Amino acid sequence: DVKVTQSSRYLVKRTGEKVFLECVQDMDHENMFWYRQDPGLGLRLIYFSYDVKMKEKGDIPEGYSVSREKKERFSLILESASTNQTSMYLCASSLWNYGYTFGSGTRLTVV
Amino acid sequence: DAKTTQPPSMDCAEGRAANLPCNHSTISGNEYVYWYRQIHSQGPQYIIHGLKNNETNEMASLIITEDRKSSTLILPHATLRDTAVYYCIVRVARSDQFYFGTGTSLTVIP
Repeated sequence: DVKVTQSSRYLVKRTGEKVFLECVQDMDHENMFWYRQDPGLGLRLIYFSYDVKMKEKGDIPEGYSVSREKKERFSLILESASTNQTSMYLCASSLWNYGYTFGSGTRLTVV
Repeated sequence: DAKTTQPPSMDCAEGRAANLPCNHSTISGNEYVYWYRQIHSQGPQYIIHGLKNNETNEMASLIITEDRKSSTLILPHATLRDTAVYYCIVRVARSDQFYFGTGTSLTVIP
């Protein structure tokens, strides 16, 4: 069964901390995505990557960065966590012209 | 980029067909319609997709109008486990980005 695995289901961090959210897929997919989900706002695209060492900004990249050193791993980095980054974070991967496979999500709380 | 419009919420009686509408009036000729659902606290799950012909799989049927400006997802015999938020998405042409709206919250009532 194909999988997208997010390293943490729940995470609590302090304001100002550097936070790493990890995502690993075992499907050899080229494309990987990070979304955040907030009540009433749906899913919003933060960053995506179509290849190793490649990254593109989505709709709301401010306050975030990403890293893709290997094809199977796509990391989201909060350089200095703030309370308005408390959210559900969802990672997804895909092959071109096929649908996404999502991970189970990481619920991050910044206090 | 084609966007979609869905009703915010719907109810359906258990065992009945659930028909979820979606408008995508600005869709381009080579853009697919995808449907996903999200059960509380889980990642979205793929249901079905189509271009212009009606599609059916083990989960649902997708009916796309001839002008492709709207579609309907049909869950033929809704169960309580189908209670979820359903997203209708048009895949952006020449890219692999999906733009999710706020979806339709379907509640299946016993």
